[in-house]
Amino acid sequence: GESVGLHLPTLSVQEGDNSIINCAYSNSASDYFIWYKQESGKGPQFIIDIRSNMDKRQGQRVTVLLNKTVKHLSLQIAATQPGDSAVYFCAEKVGGSYIPTFGRGTSLIVHP
Amino acid sequence: DAGVIQSPRHEVTEMGQEVTLRCKPISGHDYLFWYRQTMMRGLELLIYFNNNVPIDDSGMPEDRFSAKMPNASFSTLKIQPSEPRDSAVYFCASKGTSAETQYFGPGTRLLVL
Repeated sequence: GESVGLHLPTLSVQEGDNSIINCAYSNSASDYFIWYKQESGKGPQFIIDIRSNMDKRQGQRVTVLLNKTVKHLSLQIAATQPGDSAVYFCAEKVGGSYIPTFGRGTSLIVHP
Repeated sequence: DAGVIQSPRHEVTEMGQEVTLRCKPISGHDYLFWYRQTMMRGLELLIYFNNNVPIDDSGMPEDRFSAKMPNASFSTLKIQPSEPRDSAVYFCASKGTSAETQYFGPGTRLLVL
């Protein structure tokens, strides 16, 4: 989920488990959504994106699901590995805009 | 591909001093973005350029902040005078015209004492 206060929501999983990170977006006019991964000490890195005319998109070990009815986005990571430990941000963008709006992020901790 | 390059990676300075952050976007990208990241406010867009021209600087906190892009391969973000509340990680990102995705640099971690 998204953070409201100072502390990021945290998801702790065991290595090998599947992880699901959720994001509630704010603008019903948004038509493009992106997930970024930010490892400690690094910049956000693009993982996967989805357009609003799709409900699901799959990448390598990752799947993004979009539910426009409730303005909800999720990132599923299969067989989570310690290297997946990072902060994950969702971002939304309205068509015609060059500027995505970033969520506050969720911290994923993967225990070996 | 070298990716977006930022320098310095870390900067520690005293209140009142001038700070200059530098960015080299990915070659061929014509959009450049400056962001600030803090725990309190998350990732905030400060300003972005298209073809070296500032398009939207509404995110720049105040007149102490300024940004330039003298050519397609270089941009600076300057804070003068710096204040402790400017302490944050500053990211530069770039993207191509036909692309949706921004590519971020490694960031500059600024600490103003």
